[in-house]
Amino acid sequence: DAGVIQSPRHEVTEMGQEVTLRCKPISGHDYLFWYRQTMMRGLELLIYFNNNVPIDDSGMPEDRFSAKMPNASFSTLKIQPSEPRDSAVYFCASSLDRGVYEQYFGPGTRLTVT
Amino acid sequence: ELKVEQNPLFLSMQEGKNYTIYCNYSTTSDRLYWYRQDPGKSLESLFVLLSNGAVKQEGRLMASLDTKARLSTLHITAAVHDLSATYFCAVDLSVTSGTYKYIFGTGTRLKVLA
Repeated sequence: DAGVIQSPRHEVTEMGQEVTLRCKPISGHDYLFWYRQTMMRGLELLIYFNNNVPIDDSGMPEDRFSAKMPNASFSTLKIQPSEPRDSAVYFCASSLDRGVYEQYFGPGTRLTVT
Repeated sequence: ELKVEQNPLFLSMQEGKNYTIYCNYSTTSDRLYWYRQDPGKSLESLFVLLSNGAVKQEGRLMASLDTKARLSTLHITAAVHDLSATYFCAVDLSVTSGTYKYIFGTGTRLKVLA
């Protein structure tokens, strides 16, 4: 299996622009997670899906952030409008089942907002 | 407030030495995971601990879980340079909160000196 796939790997954009991050989970995994990693705040869970349905979005920082999972093999995280404080590494992870199997992380997208 | 604390945050050690990283958490959980992250890379799963008293070993690393003490340890035996990385523990909240979330620890940055 190719593992969790994320694109783009690097994104540089200007403040105010829309940013879309993409994720393809491991085939057959029921759960998909979006995380953000910064030096100041560490790893934070933003949102997770189960069978394409958003279950917990309490970690989404504000209305500028939105996430969708239109099918079992694709998810997006959108930031509109982007701000410099959104600069971080965004990871997508997937898992086969809750509480039994670990989450597998993608390579991440390094976002820089200038 | 839920906390997952690791100590030390930074660890510089000589090759061949032994050391232990501690992960303390403030909520009830019987599931804990350890991950490794190399600089600029993604998170790689190391250990899955699913019950009180669980012990897992892989090479020079051994992880254990004491759910009553809310403590997990990652023990390093005869460290080698290749073990240099940041190590994270992650507590699974499924049991107590009903939501399948990991809360990640602060991370321990390990540097093994030749």
